[in-house]
Amino acid sequence: NAGVTQTPKFRVLKTGQSMTLLCAQDMNHEYMYWYRQDPGMGLRLIHYSVGEGTTAKGEVPDGYNVSRLKKQNFLLGLESAAPSQTSVYFCASNQDRGIGESKNIQYFGAGTRLSVL
Amino acid sequence: AQSVTQLDSQVPVFEEAPVELRCNYSSSVSVYLFWYVQYPNQGLQLLLKYLSGSTLVKGINGFEAEFNKSQTSFHLRKPSVHISDTAEYFCAGRGMDSSYKLIFGSGTRLLVRP
Repeated sequence: NAGVTQTPKFRVLKTGQSMTLLCAQDMNHEYMYWYRQDPGMGLRLIHYSVGEGTTAKGEVPDGYNVSRLKKQNFLLGLESAAPSQTSVYFCASNQDRGIGESKNIQYFGAGTRLSVL
Repeated sequence: AQSVTQLDSQVPVFEEAPVELRCNYSSSVSVYLFWYVQYPNQGLQLLLKYLSGSTLVKGINGFEAEFNKSQTSFHLRKPSVHISDTAEYFCAGRGMDSSYKLIFGSGTRLLVRP
């Protein structure tokens, strides 16, 4: 059981380049999230999805787009990368149904370290 | 505003000493509370959670936390730390809306010295 898998693990971009980060989960979870982690700021929510075909903005959505064409995948896109987007990106998923604990725990991927020069 | 506050950015402690990492949450954060641990260059691992019931919750690696509703706190404790506990610790609370998103504190770096 792989859980939440993020690809790639590392990436270096030049300013203005584009890229897509892929998140895949094999737990049949409805809810998926993209966070970014910056020193001294914890994790901040970029975008999230409450089901296949849905997306919504989080706390820091500017400069990012997302898509959830398949339930198991949640893609994060940077159309024109900027140095301010240098960060560690985490994907997470959450079950939305079930009893008690199972719908209140988020499972995280290992992260993607992105540097924008 | 929804917020989770971790008062200490870094906590240095000697090996085998007790430690407490502090966390306070705002009234607009639900009382579904979590502590995650992040070892260097790794992802986040759930340490423990409070969903309901007993206010003292036990987690992995000998950690425990106490939920205090009147003080809106969820402090993490361990009676005797090891070098291997050196990591970043994040407190998080679930938001009030139906997105189940987590609101994270800024993190506390626990540095255990020999």
